[in-house]
Amino acid sequence: EAGVAQSPRYKIIEKRQSVAFWCNPISGHATLYWYQQILGQGPKLLIQFQNNGVVDDSQLPKDRFSAERLKGVDSTLKIQPAKLEDSAVYLCASSIPGTGTYQQYFGPGTRLTVT
Amino acid sequence: QKEVEQDPGPLSVPEGAIVSLNCTYSNSAFQYFMWYRQYSRKGPELLMYTYSSGNKEDGRFTAQVDKSSKYISLFIRDSQPSDSATYLCAMSRETGANNLFFGTGTRLTVIP
Repeated sequence: EAGVAQSPRYKIIEKRQSVAFWCNPISGHATLYWYQQILGQGPKLLIQFQNNGVVDDSQLPKDRFSAERLKGVDSTLKIQPAKLEDSAVYLCASSIPGTGTYQQYFGPGTRLTVT
Repeated sequence: QKEVEQDPGPLSVPEGAIVSLNCTYSNSAFQYFMWYRQYSRKGPELLMYTYSSGNKEDGRFTAQVDKSSKYISLFIRDSQPSDSATYLCAMSRETGANNLFFGTGTRLTVIP
């Protein structure tokens, strides 16, 4: 079974620039999550999708972050404009609904550095 | 106060040692408790899962939950160099409510 795919793996941008991350979940996983993991901290949920609908985006900084999941499969997370404090690893995870939160499968992450 | 507290370490032990990793939490609504392992430059992977209080064993790994003390533990017996990673505790209020609350992670190094 192929895992969660993310790209790019690394990105360096200057503050105030824009950046986008892409995630392809495991086939058949209807639930998709984006997490932000700052160095030395645990992942923090940014947004959760069920198919192409948003379930929870309460911790997404909506003034600069946006995410979409067209057709209920791939997802993109965008930051515009980026700030220095956005430097982190952005993790995408997916799960099958109804199986419980513990069955989240994580991708390798995109490491963003904002200079 | 953070909802989930975890000693970030780092923790270094010799090969074969018993490792104890711990987390405390403040929200009594948490019912589901997990341990994830994260190797460098990789995403977290689920290691252990427990529901409510009690123990669960899987090979060299044992997870314990004490809801009365709001305290969870992960024990690793006969630790191996391949166990070197960051261990994250995570918890949630109920199944289906998919918001996981993670600890900061404890970095473990097992020295051959």
